[in-house]
Amino acid sequence: GENVEQHPSTLSVQEGDSAVIKCTYSDSASNYFPWYKQELGKGPQLIIDIRSNVGEKKDQRIAVTLNKTAKHFSLHITETQPEDSAVYFCAASPGSGNTGKLIFGQGTTLQVKP
Amino acid sequence: DARVTQTPRDKVTEMGQEVTMRCQPILGHNTVFWYRQTMMQGLELLAYFRNRAPLDDSGMPKDRFSAEMPDATLATLKIQPSEPRDSAVYFCASGTRWGETQYFGPGTRLLVL
Repeated sequence: GENVEQHPSTLSVQEGDSAVIKCTYSDSASNYFPWYKQELGKGPQLIIDIRSNVGEKKDQRIAVTLNKTAKHFSLHITETQPEDSAVYFCAASPGSGNTGKLIFGQGTTLQVKP
Repeated sequence: DARVTQTPRDKVTEMGQEVTMRCQPILGHNTVFWYRQTMMQGLELLAYFRNRAPLDDSGMPKDRFSAEMPDATLATLKIQPSEPRDSAVYFCASGTRWGETQYFGPGTRLLVL
């Protein structure tokens, strides 16, 4: 079955710096890759997603890149702010069937220091 | 602003007691997921439903956990009997048939003493 590995598990950056979180997946048929942000005491919230027919997608300070050949995708946050501090999860949708099931990475705790 | 709602938000109970968690998916969403989150295991998929029918509950301990959708606006997750190792945050998420985006509720924080 699909397996998603996420690195690093923790990341600390200075405000204004960039942060990059990387994920790899095992199922080459996976076709949908969302990123979720989870703030303390809340449920994960979708921040950006990308489909397998696109290599890059950007939304203001957030961008996601996908390399299907290497089976990895990354989240890039530029000009980080303290409110970006949270746990970030990547996920992949297994390609077989369209069940809507997602396989999540283990999460990255991002700390942005003022 | 459509949201997934979950009740209760917090639950403290004693070992052996029954626990019932409820979820109201976003209106029009026909896929519902139950997850458990712990520090050690991250987000674990317990079960999910499409059009109220269970599609996969292989992530759920069958002897004590059960999940149902009595109607399209309510999903329930029951633990009977509860054990201390069940202490975690339980999330419900909903989605649409043709998309994979899942919208999460705020979670139920369960503590079993």
